[in-house]
Amino acid sequence: GQNIDQPTEMTATEGAIVQINCTYQTSGFNGLFWYQQHAGEAPTFLSYNVLDGLEEKGRFSSFLSRSKGYSYLLLKELQMKDSASYLCAVGNTGGFKTIFGAGTRLFVKA
Amino acid sequence: IAGITQAPTSQILAAGRRMTLRCTQDMRHNAMYWYRQDLGLGLRLIHYSNTAGTTGKGEVPDGYSVSRANTDDFPLTLASAVPSQTSVYFCASAAGGPTDTQYFGPGTRLTVL
Repeated sequence: GQNIDQPTEMTATEGAIVQINCTYQTSGFNGLFWYQQHAGEAPTFLSYNVLDGLEEKGRFSSFLSRSKGYSYLLLKELQMKDSASYLCAVGNTGGFKTIFGAGTRLFVKA
Repeated sequence: IAGITQAPTSQILAAGRRMTLRCTQDMRHNAMYWYRQDLGLGLRLIHYSNTAGTTGKGEVPDGYSVSRANTDDFPLTLASAVPSQTSVYFCASAAGGPTDTQYFGPGTRLTVL
């Protein structure tokens, strides 16, 4: 079957670092995406990993381990505007489909 | 038009009525998708289209139909709306397939009474 798990909610403090984990089980893995979604808005692309390792992009980094079916999104120097939902999604070679997790709501407090 | 647009922004609909949600993109993307997003369930794929003239069923296709007559437009039709179809609907497009970034429209908030 196909399944993506990520925590429902997390809270962190402004200026801190937070790691949002994602585990997945899927057939025909074809890359892992992270999207950010502010309340009432559309998801927007953050990162894409297809090979194992860490991809860094400014304050955001994403890590992938294909053998463990595991990814994390690392947010550094948290800002209030980072309060949003973060969606983990897996590209699936079984048809033109991307499977999304339920998302992790991150609350950044002062 | 810039990017991907959806209409209407929101709609309240009586159960049993027919409704078409519109989606248009100007990026010449081949792939287009319709998702519904419900609290606690995340984004679930309703239907998709790899390229103009072809469509496929996603995870939750029942009660919905789509067409892809051209590259730009991908309308979603609810033939006879039911209250369980109350949701936020997002249309998305991607240049190719599942390895490509998806660009999402602003969403349509649909309430079926």
